[in-house]
Amino acid sequence: GAVVSQHPSRVICKSGTSVKIECRSLDFQATTMFWYRQFPKQSLMLMATSNEGSKATYEQGVEKDKFLINHASLTLSTLTVTSAHPEDSSFYICSASNRGGRGNEQFFGPGTRLTVL
Amino acid sequence: DAKTTQPTSMDCAEGRAANLPCNHSTISGNEYVYWYRQIHSQGPQYIIHGLKNNETNEMASLIITEDRKSSTLILPHATLRDTAVYYCIVRVTSGTYKYIFGTGTRLKVLA
Repeated sequence: GAVVSQHPSRVICKSGTSVKIECRSLDFQATTMFWYRQFPKQSLMLMATSNEGSKATYEQGVEKDKFLINHASLTLSTLTVTSAHPEDSSFYICSASNRGGRGNEQFFGPGTRLTVL
Repeated sequence: DAKTTQPTSMDCAEGRAANLPCNHSTISGNEYVYWYRQIHSQGPQYIIHGLKNNETNEMASLIITEDRKSSTLILPHATLRDTAVYYCIVRVTSGTYKYIFGTGTRLKVLA
């Protein structure tokens, strides 16, 4: 159980366009979802935390107007990279947590690789 | 937020136990230790977690020192498929229970 999916798995876009990434919890209700980014050979960096129905909380240094997060339901959160530029190319990973679950662990999606040309 | 320190890389012979250490000397009394692993270009996979007591599941064992300032993840019989980056995480207990990832240990299991 506790499966998290992401769509798309891979996206290539032109500089200046916006890209939306979906994160879904398939078999449980996620009270909280997290968004991370990961550059090659580096660790995961937390970008923001979102609770269903409320505004996301962004980590220091992450531009909230550039990385729009919507957590409209208990099974879906979206990350929109607005006006993407080559430096936004990265591996974006979401995770979902159900506070009622065992130890409040996070279940991670498979990731989305974004390449901005 | 409590930070973790892990060796950058380790090698282990196939079939032998892999012991991955983690230091978390600033951990608070109610902060859990979690272990995840990440195989190349995939999302992290949950392994095990604990608070004070040692824990064991079908994947691994977690040994936490009495002062809780360090822990060791043990893969009892490492296989080639265990080659991955292993992350030790101290979970923040207030607010959103977020994870702060450290640099992780790159474990290579050798045939």
